Amino acid sequence: QLVLTQSPSASASLGASVKLTCTLSSGHSTYAVAWHQQLPQKGPRYLMKVNSDGSHIKGDGVPSRFSGSSSGAERYLTISSLQSEDEADYYCQTWGTGIWVFGGGTKVTVL
Amino acid sequence: QLQLQESGSGLVKPSQTLSLTCAVSGGSVTGGGSSWGWIRQPPGKGLEWIGYIYPGGFAYYNPSLKSRVTISVDRSKAYFSLNMTSLTAADTAVYYCARALGVALDYWGQGALVTVSS
Repeated sequence: QLVLTQSPSASASLGASVKLTCTLSSGHSTYAVAWHQQLPQKGPRYLMKVNSDGSHIKGDGVPSRFSGSSSGAERYLTISSLQSEDEADYYCQTWGTGIWVFGGGTKVTVL
Repeated sequence: QLQLQESGSGLVKPSQTLSLTCAVSGGSVTGGGSSWGWIRQPPGKGLEWIGYIYPGGFAYYNPSLKSRVTISVDRSKAYFSLNMTSLTAADTAVYYCARALGVALDYWGQGALVTVSS
């Protein structure tokens, strides 16, 4: 069964970096994932797609401080030089045969 | 730039049917490699996939909702729709439409709040 697992929360100081993890379930370690940002009281926004080789393709207008990477069954979203406006929920998402799958989301707090 | 906009019933009585439409502008619902779907988010909770449809009309649904959901696409009028029957309070959520290109949902609508209440 295709499942994405995320930690519920993460925090870092203003100007620091934070690395979010999305773990693919067993047998699905080659899958790409997409990352989405949801600001408070707003709809999700596509940030990027991260492939199993670590390459990533960003959406339109996504700041350079957002980057993606991979290791095994883990897909990462790193936010460098954290800004106050980066405080949001971040969801990973993937696609299987006949299904779309979301992780549970990680709430990022800027200290 | 592709834009998606949800519209439809905001307040629905229990046991009744929800109907939402997603208007697509700045692009075509017939684009190759694309699929068009619906996601919902109950208050304070995460994202739940409802279903998606290919331009040719073949659709997939979340097994937990499959018996109550129908998604259709109108290629000539550039929109796709969601119908969900037998609503209960548990269906109260913000409903989003989105486009998928391959793996990624790369464009989202702004969302439509649906409240199920008598």
